[in-house]
Amino acid sequence: GENVEQHPSTLSVQEGDSAVIKCTYSDSASNYFPWYKQELGKGPQLIIDIRSNVGEKKDQRIAVTLNKTAKHFSLHITETQPEDSAVYFCAASKGGGATNKLIFGTGTLLAVQP
Amino acid sequence: GAGVSQSPRYKVAKRGQDVALRCDPISGHVSLFWYQQALGQGPEFLTYFQNEAQLDKSGLPSDRFFAERPEGSVSTLKIQRTQQEDSAVYLCASSLGTGSGYTFGSGTRLTVV
Repeated sequence: GENVEQHPSTLSVQEGDSAVIKCTYSDSASNYFPWYKQELGKGPQLIIDIRSNVGEKKDQRIAVTLNKTAKHFSLHITETQPEDSAVYFCAASKGGGATNKLIFGTGTLLAVQP
Repeated sequence: GAGVSQSPRYKVAKRGQDVALRCDPISGHVSLFWYQQALGQGPEFLTYFQNEAQLDKSGLPSDRFFAERPEGSVSTLKIQRTQQEDSAVYLCASSLGTGSGYTFGSGTRLTVV
Protein backbone atom coordinates (compact mmCIF):
# COMPACT_ATOMS: atom_id res chain seq x y z
CA GLY A 1 0.00 0.00 0.00
CA GLU A 2 0.88 3.66 -0.10
CA ASN A 3 3.56 4.86 2.28
CA VAL A 4 4.45 8.49 3.01
CA GLU A 5 7.73 9.38 4.67
CA GLN A 6 8.28 12.82 6.18
CA HIS A 7 11.38 14.56 7.50
CA PRO A 8 12.65 16.12 9.61
CA SER A 9 10.64 15.02 12.63
CA THR A 10 11.55 18.23 14.45
CA LEU A 11 12.67 21.59 13.09
CA SER A 12 13.70 24.68 15.02
CA VAL A 13 14.18 28.00 13.23
CA GLN A 14 14.62 31.62 14.21
CA GLU A 15 11.76 34.00 13.57
CA GLY A 16 12.04 35.37 10.06
CA ASP A 17 13.97 32.40 8.69
CA SER A 18 12.56 29.90 6.21
CA ALA A 19 11.47 26.35 7.01
CA VAL A 20 11.35 23.41 4.63
CA ILE A 21 9.66 20.07 5.26
CA LYS A 22 10.03 17.20 2.79
CA CYS A 23 7.93 14.15 2.01
CA THR A 24 8.26 11.17 -0.28
CA TYR A 25 5.49 8.82 -1.35
CA SER A 26 5.56 5.32 -2.75
CA ASP A 27 2.44 4.96 -4.92
CA SER A 28 2.96 6.55 -8.34
CA ALA A 29 -0.84 6.67 -8.77
CA SER A 30 -1.13 9.29 -6.01
CA ASN A 31 -2.23 12.62 -7.45
CA TYR A 32 -3.35 14.81 -4.55
CA PHE A 33 -0.96 16.13 -1.90
CA PRO A 34 -2.29 18.29 0.94
CA TRP A 35 -0.43 19.77 3.90
CA TYR A 36 -2.04 20.12 7.31
CA LYS A 37 -1.11 22.16 10.37
CA GLN A 38 -2.10 20.76 13.75
CA GLU A 39 -1.98 22.79 16.94
CA LEU A 40 -2.16 21.21 20.37
CA GLY A 41 -5.60 19.89 21.16
CA LYS A 42 -7.00 20.68 17.73
CA GLY A 43 -7.70 18.77 14.56
CA PRO A 44 -5.48 19.11 11.49
CA GLN A 45 -6.15 22.23 9.41
CA LEU A 46 -5.59 22.25 5.67
CA ILE A 47 -3.08 24.97 4.78
CA ILE A 48 -2.24 24.22 1.16
CA ASP A 49 -2.61 21.43 -1.36
CA ILE A 50 -1.30 20.54 -4.79
CA ARG A 51 -2.47 18.23 -7.53
CA SER A 52 -0.25 16.20 -9.81
CA ASN A 53 -0.75 18.37 -12.86
CA VAL A 54 1.00 21.29 -11.13
CA GLY A 55 4.64 21.55 -10.08
CA GLU A 56 4.37 24.42 -7.62
CA LYS A 57 1.70 26.36 -5.75
CA LYS A 58 2.09 29.40 -3.54
CA ASP A 59 -0.18 31.12 -1.03
CA GLN A 60 1.37 34.15 0.66
CA ARG A 61 4.19 32.83 2.88
CA ILE A 62 3.67 29.16 2.14
CA ALA A 63 4.46 27.21 -1.00
CA VAL A 64 4.44 23.59 -2.03
CA THR A 65 6.53 21.97 -4.74
CA LEU A 66 5.96 18.57 -6.33
CA ASN A 67 8.37 16.37 -8.26
CA LYS A 68 6.30 13.49 -9.62
CA THR A 69 9.26 11.75 -11.22
CA ALA A 70 11.10 11.53 -7.92
CA LYS A 71 7.87 11.18 -5.90
CA HIS A 72 8.88 14.06 -3.65
CA PHE A 73 6.91 17.04 -2.41
CA SER A 74 7.94 19.80 -0.06
CA LEU A 75 6.41 22.56 2.07
CA HIS A 76 8.21 25.89 2.21
CA ILE A 77 7.36 28.53 4.81
CA THR A 78 9.09 31.89 4.45
CA GLU A 79 9.41 34.69 7.01
CA THR A 80 8.40 32.35 9.81
CA GLN A 81 6.51 33.73 12.79
CA PRO A 82 6.01 32.29 16.29
CA GLU A 83 2.41 31.47 15.41
CA ASP A 84 3.69 29.09 12.73
CA SER A 85 4.86 26.79 15.55
CA ALA A 86 2.83 23.56 15.29
CA VAL A 87 3.00 20.02 13.94
CA TYR A 88 2.82 19.81 10.15
CA PHE A 89 1.65 16.73 8.28
CA CYS A 90 1.95 15.91 4.62
CA ALA A 91 -0.44 13.45 3.01
CA ALA A 92 -1.08 11.74 -0.30
CA SER A 93 -4.08 10.16 -1.98
CA LYS A 94 -5.32 8.82 -5.28
CA GLY A 95 -8.37 10.24 -6.97
CA GLY A 96 -9.88 13.63 -6.33
CA GLY A 97 -8.68 13.93 -2.76
CA ALA A 98 -12.10 14.01 -1.19
CA THR A 99 -13.46 10.59 -2.04
CA ASN A 100 -10.23 8.75 -1.38
CA LYS A 101 -8.44 8.19 1.87
CA LEU A 102 -5.41 10.26 2.79
CA ILE A 103 -2.18 8.57 3.81
CA PHE A 104 -0.37 10.83 6.25
CA GLY A 105 3.29 11.27 7.05
CA THR A 106 4.50 11.05 10.63
CA GLY A 107 4.60 14.80 11.17
CA THR A 108 7.15 17.55 11.74
CA LEU A 109 7.19 19.59 14.93
CA LEU A 110 8.13 23.12 13.89
CA ALA A 111 9.32 25.50 16.60
CA VAL A 112 9.85 29.14 15.64
CA GLN A 113 12.04 30.89 18.17
CA PRO A 114 11.27 34.61 18.70
CA GLY B 1 -22.73 24.34 11.21
CA ALA B 2 -19.58 26.37 10.79
CA GLY B 3 -17.26 23.42 11.30
CA VAL B 4 -17.09 19.72 12.03
CA SER B 5 -18.27 19.08 15.57
CA GLN B 6 -17.24 16.02 17.58
CA SER B 7 -18.46 14.87 20.95
CA PRO B 8 -17.45 14.12 23.56
CA ARG B 9 -14.09 15.92 23.49
CA TYR B 10 -12.70 13.53 26.08
CA LYS B 11 -13.78 10.03 27.04
CA VAL B 12 -12.31 7.77 29.68
CA ALA B 13 -13.47 4.17 29.47
CA LYS B 14 -12.67 1.16 31.56
CA ARG B 15 -11.27 -1.77 29.62
CA GLY B 16 -14.13 -3.82 28.27
CA GLN B 17 -16.64 -0.97 28.10
CA ASP B 18 -18.39 0.06 24.89
CA VAL B 19 -18.06 3.65 23.68
CA ALA B 20 -19.83 5.76 21.05
CA LEU B 21 -18.23 8.80 19.45
CA ARG B 22 -20.31 11.30 17.53
CA CYS B 23 -19.49 13.45 14.51
CA ASP B 24 -21.59 16.30 13.12
CA PRO B 25 -20.15 17.18 9.71
CA ILE B 26 -20.49 20.50 7.95
CA SER B 27 -24.01 20.82 6.57
CA GLY B 28 -24.23 19.58 2.99
CA HIS B 29 -20.92 17.72 3.05
CA VAL B 30 -21.36 14.45 1.22
CA SER B 31 -18.15 12.75 2.26
CA LEU B 32 -17.31 11.81 5.84
CA PHE B 33 -14.14 10.15 7.12
CA TRP B 34 -12.98 8.74 10.44
CA TYR B 35 -9.29 8.67 11.34
CA GLN B 36 -7.40 7.40 14.38
CA GLN B 37 -4.41 9.38 15.64
CA ALA B 38 -2.09 7.76 18.17
CA LEU B 39 0.13 10.00 20.30
CA GLY B 40 2.94 11.49 18.22
CA GLN B 41 1.73 9.93 14.99
CA GLY B 42 -0.11 11.03 11.88
CA PRO B 43 -3.80 10.25 11.47
CA GLU B 44 -4.60 6.79 10.11
CA PHE B 45 -7.66 6.11 7.98
CA LEU B 46 -10.46 4.07 9.51
CA THR B 47 -13.53 4.39 7.29
CA TYR B 48 -15.28 6.53 4.67
CA PHE B 49 -18.92 7.37 3.95
CA GLN B 50 -20.48 8.95 0.91
CA ASN B 51 -23.86 10.12 2.17
CA GLU B 52 -25.21 7.12 4.11
CA ALA B 53 -23.18 4.52 2.21
CA GLN B 54 -20.05 3.18 3.86
CA LEU B 55 -17.81 2.82 0.83
CA ASP B 56 -14.55 1.92 2.52
CA LYS B 57 -14.01 0.36 5.93
CA SER B 58 -10.62 -1.13 5.19
CA GLY B 59 -8.94 0.77 8.03
CA LEU B 60 -11.09 -0.48 10.88
CA PRO B 61 -8.63 -2.42 13.06
CA SER B 62 -11.01 -5.14 14.23
CA ASP B 63 -14.64 -6.21 14.28
CA ARG B 64 -14.95 -4.34 17.58
CA PHE B 65 -15.06 -1.12 15.56
CA PHE B 66 -18.28 -0.15 13.84
CA ALA B 67 -19.34 3.09 12.15
CA GLU B 68 -22.67 4.28 10.83
CA ARG B 69 -24.21 7.31 9.15
CA PRO B 70 -27.86 6.29 8.77
CA GLU B 71 -29.28 9.54 7.37
CA GLY B 72 -26.23 10.77 5.55
CA SER B 73 -25.36 13.50 8.04
CA VAL B 74 -24.38 12.66 11.66
CA SER B 75 -22.04 9.71 12.07
CA THR B 76 -21.24 7.53 15.06
CA LEU B 77 -18.12 5.46 15.60
CA LYS B 78 -18.71 2.67 18.08
CA ILE B 79 -15.99 0.65 19.78
CA GLN B 80 -17.04 -2.45 21.64
CA ARG B 81 -15.12 -4.07 24.49
CA THR B 82 -12.47 -1.32 24.51
CA GLN B 83 -8.83 -2.29 24.93
CA GLN B 84 -5.88 -0.17 26.04
CA GLU B 85 -4.52 -0.10 22.51
CA ASP B 86 -7.69 1.73 21.44
CA SER B 87 -6.49 4.80 23.35
CA ALA B 88 -6.05 7.54 20.75
CA VAL B 89 -7.62 10.67 19.32
CA TYR B 90 -10.45 9.84 16.93
CA LEU B 91 -10.81 12.47 14.21
CA CYS B 92 -13.77 13.02 11.93
CA ALA B 93 -13.49 14.95 8.67
CA SER B 94 -15.99 15.96 6.02
CA SER B 95 -15.85 17.38 2.52
CA LEU B 96 -18.19 18.51 -0.22
CA GLY B 97 -17.07 15.79 -2.55
CA THR B 98 -14.64 15.15 -5.37
CA GLY B 99 -12.00 17.81 -5.64
CA SER B 100 -12.64 19.39 -2.25
CA GLY B 101 -10.29 19.29 0.69
CA TYR B 102 -11.20 17.85 4.07
CA THR B 103 -12.24 19.82 7.15
CA PHE B 104 -11.33 18.01 10.35
CA GLY B 105 -13.06 18.25 13.70
CA SER B 106 -11.08 18.71 16.92
CA GLY B 107 -11.36 15.03 17.71
CA THR B 108 -12.35 12.88 20.66
CA ARG B 109 -9.51 11.81 22.93
CA LEU B 110 -10.27 8.28 24.15
CA THR B 111 -8.35 6.91 27.10
CA VAL B 112 -8.91 3.29 28.05
CA VAL B 113 -7.86 2.45 31.61
